[in-house]
Amino acid sequence: DTAVSQTPKYLVTQMGNDKSIKCEQNLGHDTMYWYKQDSKKFLKIMFSYNNKELIINETVPNRFSPKSPDKAHLNLHINSLELGDSAVYFCASSQEIGAGNSPLHFGNGTRLTVT
Amino acid sequence: RKEVEQDPGPFNVPEGATVAFNCTYSNSASQSFFWYRQDCRKEPKLLMSVYSSGNEDGRFTAQLNRASQYISLLIRDSKLSDSATYLCVVNMFSGGYNKLIFGAGTRLAVHP
Repeated sequence: DTAVSQTPKYLVTQMGNDKSIKCEQNLGHDTMYWYKQDSKKFLKIMFSYNNKELIINETVPNRFSPKSPDKAHLNLHINSLELGDSAVYFCASSQEIGAGNSPLHFGNGTRLTVT
Repeated sequence: RKEVEQDPGPFNVPEGATVAFNCTYSNSASQSFFWYRQDCRKEPKLLMSVYSSGNEDGRFTAQLNRASQYISLLIRDSKLSDSATYLCVVNMFSGGYNKLIFGAGTRLAVHP
């Protein structure tokens, strides 16, 4: 199936640990994103890569480090996890950056719980 | 003022009802507007784009009012399956790139 897939679906870990979330898309899109959806349901963009190049880097702590080995993959590594990092993290892709006629296709999310 | 603002709801309506959501945005330079739908514990999915002239897709109608900086979504003949959170999305050009700003969503609950 063509899709955006991310793993793991659930991640429960303790404060101070380091964890990674992986994302892959087989839609042939050039742009990939990481979004964070907090407990109040706001979806906020964190990062965007276009053809492996970092394009958008919102005000995110540098404990969060995205890595794009190729344009079909965008992984998110988080160091020294904190309670406030608990949220749902969505990977997404689009044919081009931003809007226009290029909708975002989201992965099914990774629910991160930091205890 | 938030960049994209929506009434969180919930809107509780019976099947067959007509319901409308509004969304306001702060950046008058925004050019692209969308409605996404998010089911509980699922990912957001594009419902429809919003065009200047307004557009309709079956029971769903989207309108844009640039002067007042708001967009609306009208759902006619509500179905139980329409129960979801509807996210208003607006593009913003900032820092040399386009990005999509999501509202917090309006929750709709359709009951029998």
